[in-house]
Amino acid sequence: NAGVTQTPKFQVLKTGQSMTLQCAQDMNHNSMYWYRQDPGMGLRLIYYSASEGTTDKGEVPNGYNVSRLNKREFSLRLESAAPSQTSVYFCASSHGREQPQHFGDGTRLSIL
Amino acid sequence: KQEVTQIPAALSVPEGENLVLNCSFTDSAIYNLQWFRQDPGKGLTSLLLIQSSQREQTSGRLNASLDKSSGRSTLYIAASQPGDSATYLCAVRGSQGNLIFGKGTKLSVKP
Repeated sequence: NAGVTQTPKFQVLKTGQSMTLQCAQDMNHNSMYWYRQDPGMGLRLIYYSASEGTTDKGEVPNGYNVSRLNKREFSLRLESAAPSQTSVYFCASSHGREQPQHFGDGTRLSIL
Repeated sequence: KQEVTQIPAALSVPEGENLVLNCSFTDSAIYNLQWFRQDPGKGLTSLLLIQSSQREQTSGRLNASLDKSSGRSTLYIAASQPGDSATYLCAVRGSQGNLIFGKGTKLSVKP
């Protein structure tokens, strides 16, 4: 009964380091999403993948890249981390536009 | 650009009270609206999903309504309990399939 699994749960980076956040879902969903949550800003969409093989930019894509590795997995990469990317990152998935989105537990990322 | 507003930002009520959380959105061209609950330091738990063609959805003590023409949704919680304490988020689904979130209402139910 895993749903959406995100790894790691916590990470501390130094400015300029790179890292990849992993997300996997076991619900056979077509669409997957990456959001960030910041105090006072709410959740904002970074990138999404409407189906396997496609990715598109969301509201705040700068500084990030994504890969839809297969139907289950959608990764988010920070090539050169900046303090402004300190945030909580959530991955979500859904079967389609009319279906609810299901969220993972989040990755808490601090960049010093 | 779609904007979602939740009022109030915080609410404190005594246990047993019925309460209403409000959500408004600026563009009525939505596919659906989803209500979530978020506990401190945790992820989002989906509570209810209302399609654009529906007026309300119910799950246990929760009832969500949608008035698309006026850009409003409400989440009604009956007989509140301390375990209902959390942040409640409203989100509308745009044409790309992504959710656009409000900033949430932090609910505290006191025993």
